[in-house]
Amino acid sequence: DTGVSQDPRHKITKRGQNVTFRCDPISEHNRLYWYRQTLGQGPEFLTYFQNEAQLEKSRLLSDRFSAERPKGSFSTLEIQRTEQGDSAMYLCASTQQGNTEAFFGQGTRLTVV
Amino acid sequence: QKEVEQNSGPLSVPEGAIASLNCTYSDRGSQSFFWYRQYSGKSPELIMSIYSNGDKEDGRFTAQLNKASQYVSLLIRDSQPSDSATYLCAVDNYGQNFVFGPGTRLSVLP
Repeated sequence: DTGVSQDPRHKITKRGQNVTFRCDPISEHNRLYWYRQTLGQGPEFLTYFQNEAQLEKSRLLSDRFSAERPKGSFSTLEIQRTEQGDSAMYLCASTQQGNTEAFFGQGTRLTVV
Repeated sequence: QKEVEQNSGPLSVPEGAIASLNCTYSDRGSQSFFWYRQYSGKSPELIMSIYSNGDKEDGRFTAQLNKASQYVSLLIRDSQPSDSATYLCAVDNYGQNFVFGPGTRLSVLP
């Protein structure tokens, strides 16, 4: 297993467009997290899944954001009607329940122009 | 709202010296603590986890935890220029997510 994989690595989009990111966690990990990180800040929690269930969502996750993990494997994060303030690195991490060490993917850097 | 605080730096140390990075957290009930290293433009990489009071050593890295003082630190011995990065402190939020500090930028000068 090569670790957590995210796609795409970079995305440039025009304001108002929709974007979707994908995360493939480490295969035996049943917990998957989405974080957002802006320059000079630590990662901010967005949401997390245990298997296919979305168990927690941050208040940062406005109604323009939606995340899914339909079969408990990969996850997608969609941002509708993107705004310039959405420009950030979107990070996915996974961990096995009962093991609190989380491992991050390479991230998707979103630029909204 | 849980908070994790770190000095943003930059912390500059000469090559070969000990770098000391500090972190405080607000929730006295926190149980699990992590240090991540993040190179510019890259994602965070887990380097240490610590769960009990005291020291935990792994190679050149030592994590120190003092739950009574709500304080976690990371010592890097024999610092190398390749250690230059941002170091993120993270605290487990009751198994639901991880709360990160803003990170400390470390610069190791050759």
